[in-house]
Formats: sequence, C-alpha cells, structure tokens
Amino acid sequence: QKEVEQNSGPLSVPEGAIASLNCTYSDRGSQSFFWYRQYSGKSPELIMSIYSNGDKEDGRFTAQLNKASQYVSLLIRDSQPSDSATYLCAVNDYKLSFGAGTTVTVRA
Amino acid sequence: GAVVSQHPSWVICKSGTSVKIECRSLDFQATTMFWYRQFPKQSLMLMATSNEGSKATYEQGVEKDKFLINHASLTLSTLTVTSAHPEDSSFYICSAPGQPGELFFGEGSRLTVL
Repeated sequence: QKEVEQNSGPLSVPEGAIASLNCTYSDRGSQSFFWYRQYSGKSPELIMSIYSNGDKEDGRFTAQLNKASQYVSLLIRDSQPSDSATYLCAVNDYKLSFGAGTTVTVRA
Repeated sequence: GAVVSQHPSWVICKSGTSVKIECRSLDFQATTMFWYRQFPKQSLMLMATSNEGSKATYEQGVEKDKFLINHASLTLSTLTVTSAHPEDSSFYICSAPGQPGELFFGEGSRLTVL
C-alpha cells in the first residue's frame, strides 16, 4: 500500500470556481502535512502546511485535516489560470513522503 | 525563504559517462540535504539523505555505487551519476530542510542519457 495517495485527476475547473484536492495517508502516527505546487518542469514549492485537525486558511487556499480519517484536503477558491499545476500532498514522518500529485487545469 | 541553487539545470550525456549535479544552499548552512528523483508524471522519490562530513544514507533500492553523493561542506552537496544509462534519465531535485517537514527545493536538473 502506498503511503500517500491522491486522487489522480486531472482536475479541470472553470476560472473562478473551487478546486478540491484530496489526499489520504497510511501512517496513523503522522503529525505534519503539506501541500506543494509544482509547475511543469519546475521544482515543487510549499503552499500550505497543517499540523492540527480542522481547517487552515491562507489567502485563496484552505487546507483541511482529519487525523481520525487519515485525510487531508486542499481547496483552492476563485481558481485562476495561474493555479494550473500539479499539487503534491506530502506527509512528514521521519522524512517527507509525497503523493503522486493531482494535475489541476483552470479553464479561462 | 531560504535559497537552494542547483546546477546544471539540464544535461545531456552519452551512455556510460558520468554526470555531476551540484546543490548549494546560498544563504544558510545545511548539514543535511535530500536528493529526489522524479520520472514523468510520477511523484518525487527520495533517493538519499546527504550528511555533511559523513556518508550519505541511501533509500532501499538505490545503488550507492552508482549514485555517488558527497557533502563536503555546509553549503554544497553533489550527486554523481556514474556510468549513466538511458533509464537514468530523469529529473533530479535536491532540497534542504527548513522548519520541521518544510523543504527548500533546488531548481532541479533534467538528465537525458542518450
């Protein structure tokens, strides 16, 4: 079983809509969770971190964590064409484990 | 945030040759750096942890004699792909840790082996 799993996508949303990305993880003891954005041919960049159950908002991004369900999600509100990228979920145990990523395309 | 610089950003080499990739922390000291590999449409896979002044720690399945890692100073780690073959063609990315779980990534190096 993979450690971190994401809905494979691709996910296509119209400009201005909400993009919803999901991630589950296998290690119940995991404590730190991250969302990275990766543009094609580029390295990942950190956009959100979350450590406690509940929601965390940063601008148009909201991360949601439910440790009981071993589930973490990312919502992108008012999606813009510049949000088109692959979003990687990462879980930190001793070292970061990345999901395969969900590719998001925002249609203008 | 901290800056990690990687060089070269892309390289093409012939099969059987060796290629060295450098990773530098520009504005901070990094006792640890991580080397990842990413094949097209796949996730980042950790290859090894580079430790300043000591041997690197390799992940299961990664050949340490093929992927030589040297971390000779607090700002420089190098990855040498020895006797490269076409199946080694990939995107190699280094990173250095910041806050717990946070990684600062280099720009990545795209290796193509002909």
